[in-house]
Amino acid sequence: AQSVTQPDIHITVSEGASLELRCNYSYGATPYLFWYVQSPGQGLQLLLKYFSGDTLVQGIKGFEAEFKRSQSSFNLRKPSVHWSDAAEYFCAVGAIVRYNNNDMRFGAGTRLTVKP
Amino acid sequence: ETGVTQSPTHLIKTRGQQVTLRCSSQSGHNTVSWYQQALGQGPQFIFQYYREEENGRGNFPPRFSGLQFPNYSSELNVNALELDDSALYLCASSPGGGVRNTQYFGPGTRLTVL
Repeated sequence: AQSVTQPDIHITVSEGASLELRCNYSYGATPYLFWYVQSPGQGLQLLLKYFSGDTLVQGIKGFEAEFKRSQSSFNLRKPSVHWSDAAEYFCAVGAIVRYNNNDMRFGAGTRLTVKP
Repeated sequence: ETGVTQSPTHLIKTRGQQVTLRCSSQSGHNTVSWYQQALGQGPQFIFQYYREEENGRGNFPPRFSGLQFPNYSSELNVNALELDDSALYLCASSPGGGVRNTQYFGPGTRLTVL
Protein backbone atom coordinates (compact mmCIF):
# COMPACT_ATOMS: atom_id res chain seq x y z
CA ALA A 1 0.00 0.00 0.00
CA GLN A 2 1.10 3.54 -0.57
CA SER A 3 2.38 5.76 2.24
CA VAL A 4 3.57 9.32 2.78
CA THR A 5 6.19 10.78 5.09
CA GLN A 6 6.44 14.44 5.96
CA PRO A 7 9.72 14.71 7.88
CA ASP A 8 9.10 18.16 9.34
CA ILE A 9 6.41 18.41 12.00
CA HIS A 10 6.73 22.16 12.41
CA ILE A 11 8.48 24.85 10.36
CA THR A 12 8.82 28.56 11.15
CA VAL A 13 9.71 31.07 8.46
CA SER A 14 9.77 34.85 8.32
CA GLU A 15 7.24 36.66 6.20
CA GLY A 16 8.73 37.23 2.75
CA ALA A 17 11.16 34.33 3.04
CA SER A 18 11.06 31.30 0.78
CA LEU A 19 9.49 28.03 1.87
CA GLU A 20 10.03 24.38 1.12
CA LEU A 21 7.97 21.62 2.72
CA ARG A 22 9.22 18.10 2.24
CA CYS A 23 7.20 15.06 1.24
CA ASN A 24 8.42 11.53 0.53
CA TYR A 25 6.12 8.81 -0.74
CA SER A 26 6.21 5.08 -1.12
CA TYR A 27 4.24 3.48 -3.92
CA GLY A 28 5.07 0.78 -6.43
CA ALA A 29 3.50 2.38 -9.47
CA THR A 30 3.19 5.90 -10.81
CA PRO A 31 1.80 7.89 -7.92
CA TYR A 32 -0.94 10.45 -7.89
CA LEU A 33 0.35 13.18 -5.59
CA PHE A 34 -1.42 16.03 -3.85
CA TRP A 35 -0.78 18.90 -1.48
CA TYR A 36 -3.59 20.16 0.72
CA VAL A 37 -3.73 23.03 3.19
CA GLN A 38 -5.84 23.13 6.34
CA SER A 39 -6.45 26.32 8.27
CA PRO A 40 -7.63 26.08 11.88
CA GLY A 41 -11.23 24.90 12.09
CA GLN A 42 -11.41 24.37 8.34
CA GLY A 43 -11.52 21.46 5.98
CA LEU A 44 -8.75 20.70 3.53
CA GLN A 45 -8.20 22.78 0.41
CA LEU A 46 -6.35 21.40 -2.59
CA LEU A 47 -3.23 23.42 -3.47
CA LEU A 48 -1.99 21.35 -6.39
CA LYS A 49 -1.77 17.85 -7.80
CA TYR A 50 0.49 15.76 -9.99
CA PHE A 51 -0.65 12.89 -12.18
CA SER A 52 1.81 12.82 -15.08
CA GLY A 53 3.70 15.04 -17.47
CA ASP A 54 5.67 18.09 -16.43
CA THR A 55 7.27 17.36 -13.07
CA LEU A 56 6.98 20.96 -11.90
CA VAL A 57 3.36 21.76 -11.13
CA GLN A 58 1.85 25.11 -10.31
CA GLY A 59 -0.92 25.51 -7.82
CA ILE A 60 -3.05 28.12 -6.19
CA LYS A 61 -1.81 30.90 -3.87
CA GLY A 62 1.60 30.97 -5.55
CA PHE A 63 2.63 27.44 -4.55
CA GLU A 64 4.48 24.97 -6.74
CA ALA A 65 5.74 21.44 -6.27
CA GLU A 66 8.30 19.29 -8.01
CA PHE A 67 7.96 15.55 -8.52
CA LYS A 68 11.29 13.72 -8.36
CA ARG A 69 10.83 10.03 -9.07
CA SER A 70 14.47 9.16 -8.28
CA GLN A 71 14.07 10.61 -4.78
CA SER A 72 10.42 9.57 -4.28
CA SER A 73 9.73 13.16 -3.33
CA PHE A 74 7.12 15.79 -4.01
CA ASN A 75 8.28 18.92 -2.18
CA LEU A 76 6.12 22.02 -1.94
CA ARG A 77 7.67 25.45 -2.47
CA LYS A 78 6.75 29.10 -2.35
CA PRO A 79 9.20 31.89 -3.15
CA SER A 80 7.79 34.44 -0.70
CA VAL A 81 5.61 33.48 2.24
CA HIS A 82 2.71 35.65 3.43
CA TRP A 83 1.36 35.71 6.97
CA SER A 84 -1.89 34.18 5.68
CA ASP A 85 0.02 31.04 4.65
CA ALA A 86 0.27 29.96 8.28
CA ALA A 87 -1.62 26.66 8.39
CA GLU A 88 -1.18 22.88 8.37
CA TYR A 89 0.02 21.36 5.12
CA PHE A 90 -0.64 17.77 4.09
CA CYS A 91 0.93 15.75 1.34
CA ALA A 92 -1.12 12.83 0.02
CA VAL A 93 -0.69 9.98 -2.41
CA GLY A 94 -3.60 8.37 -4.22
CA ALA A 95 -3.78 4.92 -5.71
CA ILE A 96 -6.23 3.20 -7.97
CA VAL A 97 -7.26 0.19 -5.93
CA ARG A 98 -9.84 -0.72 -8.48
CA TYR A 99 -11.86 1.15 -11.03
CA ASN A 100 -13.41 4.30 -9.69
CA ASN A 101 -12.05 3.91 -6.19
CA ASN A 102 -10.03 6.63 -4.58
CA ASP A 103 -7.72 5.42 -1.82
CA MET A 104 -5.89 8.46 -0.51
CA ARG A 105 -3.12 8.26 2.07
CA PHE A 106 -2.11 11.42 3.86
CA GLY A 107 1.06 12.34 5.66
CA ALA A 108 0.96 13.50 9.26
CA GLY A 109 1.24 17.12 8.19
CA THR A 110 3.65 20.04 8.61
CA ARG A 111 2.55 23.01 10.65
CA LEU A 112 3.77 26.29 9.20
CA THR A 113 4.25 29.33 11.43
CA VAL A 114 5.02 32.67 9.80
CA LYS A 115 6.96 35.28 11.79
CA PRO A 116 6.29 38.96 11.07
CA GLU B 1 -22.66 26.70 -6.05
CA THR B 2 -22.95 25.29 -2.53
CA GLY B 3 -19.87 23.60 -1.15
CA VAL B 4 -19.64 20.52 1.02
CA THR B 5 -21.45 20.90 4.31
CA GLN B 6 -21.34 18.73 7.41
CA SER B 7 -23.50 18.49 10.49
CA PRO B 8 -23.26 18.77 13.36
CA THR B 9 -20.18 20.92 13.89
CA HIS B 10 -19.39 19.47 17.28
CA LEU B 11 -20.66 16.45 19.14
CA ILE B 12 -20.00 14.95 22.55
CA LYS B 13 -20.86 11.32 23.24
CA THR B 14 -20.03 8.76 25.89
CA ARG B 15 -18.30 5.45 25.38
CA GLY B 16 -20.61 2.74 24.04
CA GLN B 17 -23.06 5.13 22.41
CA GLN B 18 -23.79 5.39 18.71
CA VAL B 19 -23.40 8.49 16.53
CA THR B 20 -24.51 9.60 13.06
CA LEU B 21 -22.68 12.29 11.14
CA ARG B 22 -24.07 13.88 7.99
CA CYS B 23 -22.55 15.27 4.83
CA SER B 24 -24.10 17.11 1.92
CA SER B 25 -22.06 16.81 -1.21
CA GLN B 26 -21.33 19.57 -3.65
CA SER B 27 -23.79 19.97 -6.50
CA GLY B 28 -23.02 17.60 -9.37
CA HIS B 29 -20.87 15.26 -7.27
CA ASN B 30 -21.81 11.58 -7.02
CA THR B 31 -19.02 10.41 -4.73
CA VAL B 32 -18.45 10.96 -1.03
CA SER B 33 -15.40 9.87 0.94
CA TRP B 34 -15.10 9.91 4.73
CA TYR B 35 -11.91 10.48 6.69
CA GLN B 36 -10.97 10.41 10.36
CA GLN B 37 -8.40 12.96 11.50
CA ALA B 38 -7.06 12.39 14.99
CA LEU B 39 -5.44 15.30 16.76
CA GLY B 40 -2.03 16.06 15.27
CA GLN B 41 -2.43 13.49 12.50
CA GLY B 42 -3.31 13.47 8.85
CA PRO B 43 -6.71 12.28 7.66
CA GLN B 44 -7.21 8.51 7.45
CA PHE B 45 -9.48 7.09 4.78
CA ILE B 46 -12.55 5.35 6.22
CA PHE B 47 -14.58 4.54 3.13
CA GLN B 48 -15.99 5.91 -0.08
CA TYR B 49 -19.48 5.83 -1.55
CA TYR B 50 -20.06 6.06 -5.27
CA ARG B 51 -23.62 6.22 -6.57
CA GLU B 52 -25.03 4.84 -3.30
CA GLU B 53 -22.65 1.86 -3.12
CA GLU B 54 -19.63 1.46 -0.85
CA ASN B 55 -16.72 1.58 -3.26
CA GLY B 56 -13.69 1.15 -1.06
CA ARG B 57 -12.78 0.94 2.59
CA GLY B 58 -9.77 1.72 4.72
CA ASN B 59 -8.60 -0.14 7.80
CA PHE B 60 -11.61 0.56 10.00
CA PRO B 61 -13.77 -1.99 11.84
CA PRO B 62 -17.35 -2.81 10.79
CA ARG B 63 -18.80 -0.63 13.53
CA PHE B 64 -17.99 2.22 11.14
CA SER B 65 -20.71 2.12 8.50
CA GLY B 66 -22.24 4.51 6.06
CA LEU B 67 -24.98 5.31 3.64
CA GLN B 68 -25.33 7.39 0.54
CA PHE B 69 -28.72 8.68 -0.53
CA PRO B 70 -30.15 9.26 -4.02
CA ASN B 71 -29.26 12.95 -3.76
CA TYR B 72 -25.67 11.79 -3.00
CA SER B 73 -25.63 13.12 0.53
CA SER B 74 -24.12 10.70 2.99
CA GLU B 75 -24.10 9.53 6.59
CA LEU B 76 -21.34 8.04 8.68
CA ASN B 77 -22.49 5.86 11.55
CA VAL B 78 -20.27 4.71 14.36
CA ASN B 79 -21.53 2.13 16.85
CA ALA B 80 -20.15 1.22 20.26
CA LEU B 81 -18.07 4.37 20.50
CA GLU B 82 -14.58 4.10 21.97
CA LEU B 83 -12.40 6.83 23.43
CA ASP B 84 -10.06 6.56 20.43
CA ASP B 85 -12.92 7.52 18.12
CA SER B 86 -12.50 11.11 19.32
CA ALA B 87 -11.41 12.97 16.18
CA LEU B 88 -12.37 15.37 13.43
CA TYR B 89 -14.44 13.55 10.82
CA LEU B 90 -14.14 14.96 7.34
CA CYS B 91 -16.19 14.20 4.31
CA ALA B 92 -15.15 15.02 0.79
CA SER B 93 -17.22 14.96 -2.36
CA SER B 94 -15.99 14.55 -5.91
CA PRO B 95 -17.50 14.24 -9.38
CA GLY B 96 -16.39 10.61 -9.60
CA GLY B 97 -14.71 7.94 -7.57
CA GLY B 98 -11.40 7.82 -9.36
CA VAL B 99 -8.30 9.33 -7.85
CA ARG B 100 -8.04 11.84 -10.66
CA ASN B 101 -11.23 13.53 -9.48
CA THR B 102 -10.51 16.40 -7.11
CA GLN B 103 -12.02 15.94 -3.68
CA TYR B 104 -13.67 18.93 -2.04
CA PHE B 105 -13.66 18.76 1.73
CA GLY B 106 -16.21 19.94 4.22
CA PRO B 107 -15.24 21.71 7.45
CA GLY B 108 -15.62 18.53 9.49
CA THR B 109 -17.46 17.34 12.58
CA ARG B 110 -15.51 17.32 15.83
CA LEU B 111 -16.49 14.23 17.83
CA THR B 112 -15.49 13.91 21.47
CA VAL B 113 -16.04 10.59 23.23
CA LEU B 114 -15.96 10.69 27.02
